[in-house]
Amino acid sequence: NAGVMQNPRHLVRRRGQEARLRCSPMKGHSHVYWYRQLPEEGLKFMVYLQKENIIDESGMPKERFSAEFPKEGPSILRIQQVVRGDSAAYFCASSPGINEKLFFGSGTQLSVL
Amino acid sequence: DQQVKQNSPSLSVQEGRISILNCDYTNSMFDYFLWYKKYPAEGPTFLISISSIKDKNEDGRFTVFLNKSAKHLSLHIVPSQPGDSAVYFCAATEGLRGNKLVFGAGTILRVKS
Repeated sequence: NAGVMQNPRHLVRRRGQEARLRCSPMKGHSHVYWYRQLPEEGLKFMVYLQKENIIDESGMPKERFSAEFPKEGPSILRIQQVVRGDSAAYFCASSPGINEKLFFGSGTQLSVL
Repeated sequence: DQQVKQNSPSLSVQEGRISILNCDYTNSMFDYFLWYKKYPAEGPTFLISISSIKDKNEDGRFTVFLNKSAKHLSLHIVPSQPGDSAVYFCAATEGLRGNKLVFGAGTILRVKS
């Protein structure tokens, strides 16, 4: 049973470009969460999605960031017009239910030049 | 504002001895607490949790203690093993908030053989 798969592992973008981060949850999991870890900090909640619905996006910056979890395919975290401050590790996690244990992926390290 | 604080950035312990990792929180609404372990280039993995109705939870070599009046929890690992060397994150949530976790900044544990 494959775990949470994130790709790419590393993503380099220049300022102003778009970044797309993908997350395939564990089989049977319909709840997906995105967290961001800035250097020297803990993980910070960004958004919680359940198939085709955004449940809680209170941790998402209001501009440039968006997330989706379509009926078919992986969840996508999209960052438009990236800036240097977006450089961070982005972790996706999934769970089978709302209050059940989270399983994290290995993360995508985004570097903005 | 840091609602979950891990004040020790790192801890070094001799193999076989006890490792004690500490965590403080400020939000009195938190009622569920978790510890995650993270190796380099991997995502966090769940270690142990405790509900606010308890003051202790044990799982093998790992024990978590909760002192609600002091808003403090600790993770004890005994005996410590070299494979325990990792970053340990304390996290907290309000029960009905699902998996919207608030993480501390982490403590790097090094177990020397």
